[in-house]
Amino acid sequence: DAGVIQSPRHEVTEMGQEVTLRCKPISGHNSLFWYRQTMMRGLELLIYFNNNVPIDDSGMPEDRFSAKMPNASFSTLKIQPSEPRDSAVYFCASSLKNSPLHFGNGTRLTVT
Amino acid sequence: DQQVKQNSPSLSVQEGRISILNCDYTNSMFDYFLWYKKYPAEGPTFLISISSIKDKNEDGRFTVFLNKSAKHLSLHIVPSQPGDSAVYFCAASYRNQGGKLIFGQGTELSVKP
Repeated sequence: DAGVIQSPRHEVTEMGQEVTLRCKPISGHNSLFWYRQTMMRGLELLIYFNNNVPIDDSGMPEDRFSAKMPNASFSTLKIQPSEPRDSAVYFCASSLKNSPLHFGNGTRLTVT
Repeated sequence: DQQVKQNSPSLSVQEGRISILNCDYTNSMFDYFLWYKKYPAEGPTFLISISSIKDKNEDGRFTVFLNKSAKHLSLHIVPSQPGDSAVYFCAASYRNQGGKLIFGQGTELSVKP
């Protein structure tokens, strides 16, 4: 079991650029979650999908953020345009039904 | 408005002694609680959980206690080992929310040899 795979591990970009974070959930898991960790707000849920369908995106901070899950094995989180306050570690997690979430190792995003 | 709170940002204990990490929540609708452990540069990993119908769950050196009337849960690690040094997150959810977890801010545990 390869676990949840996120790419890239680190991303440094300039303000105004588009950023795309990628996630491959554990095979067979039917729920996928995007979390963001910052010093100020801790781990906060941005959006989650069940069976590839977005269920709750109330945590998405602004219209600059969007997430897609085109199939059961891939999801993206896009920020366009990026801003310095978007700098954080972004985690993807997956789960099967009501089992505990399995997290990837995160993408550390720095927007200068 | 923080629904899950870990008021101690850090805790230091001696190897072999007991570590007690605390967590408070405000929403009485939560029915499932979890503890996650996080090492630097890694994602959180699941440690132990408890349903609201129980008041204690034990797994080896780790025990979670739930006090619903006080809206409080705690994680006991005994005996503590240096490898337990990590950030511990408390999380809560409603079962019918599809696994959506609300996390506390985390407590950094340091176990000294």
